[in-house]
Amino acid sequence: EAGVTQFPSHSVIEKGQTVTLRCDPISGHDNLYWYRRVMGKEIKFLLHFVKESKQDESGMPNNRFLAERTGGTYSTLKVQPAELEDSGVYFCASSLQGALSTEAFFGQGTRLTVV
Amino acid sequence: QKEVEQNSGPLSVPEGAIASLNCTYSDRGSQSFFWYRQYSGKSPELIMFIYSNGDKEDGRFTAQLNKASQYVSLLIRDSQPSDSATYLCAVSGGFKTIFGAGTRLFVKA
Repeated sequence: EAGVTQFPSHSVIEKGQTVTLRCDPISGHDNLYWYRRVMGKEIKFLLHFVKESKQDESGMPNNRFLAERTGGTYSTLKVQPAELEDSGVYFCASSLQGALSTEAFFGQGTRLTVV
Repeated sequence: QKEVEQNSGPLSVPEGAIASLNCTYSDRGSQSFFWYRQYSGKSPELIMFIYSNGDKEDGRFTAQLNKASQYVSLLIRDSQPSDSATYLCAVSGGFKTIFGAGTRLFVKA
């Protein structure tokens, strides 16, 4: 069975451009999470989907970030316009539905570099 | 105060020794505790999880949880060079999982 898949693996864009990251969770996982790791810092929570609904988006840094999960399957995270401080590795994770947070399976991440 | 704190390291241990990694958390309502291993350039990989106070052993790994002290640790016995990685402590309450910054471990051959 395929794991969590993220596209692209790397992206280099100029400041002010738009980038869209995609995450395909493990089939059947209702919970999908986006995290970001800026160089030298901890992995930070961005938001959490349960199926197509945003359960918690308290970690989204500002309104330049837009996440969607149409149909409760794959998710996209759009950054528009990108700024230099948006550079980092964006991880997606998915987990089975449950009252307690079960372990999340992570994708390989998308390394975003804004120049 | 950070929600999940770890010593960034690097922690250096000789091959065959016990590596001890520590983590403290601030939310007393936290229910689930995870240790992830992340090799450079790779995704975090779950190696242990623990929900109850006490010790949980899995092969060379032992997770220890003390909710009263808000402390969780990971012991790696018979450390191997292949254990060299960043170890992330993660703490969950409900649906949100908060990560520590990670501890870099070097196991010297």
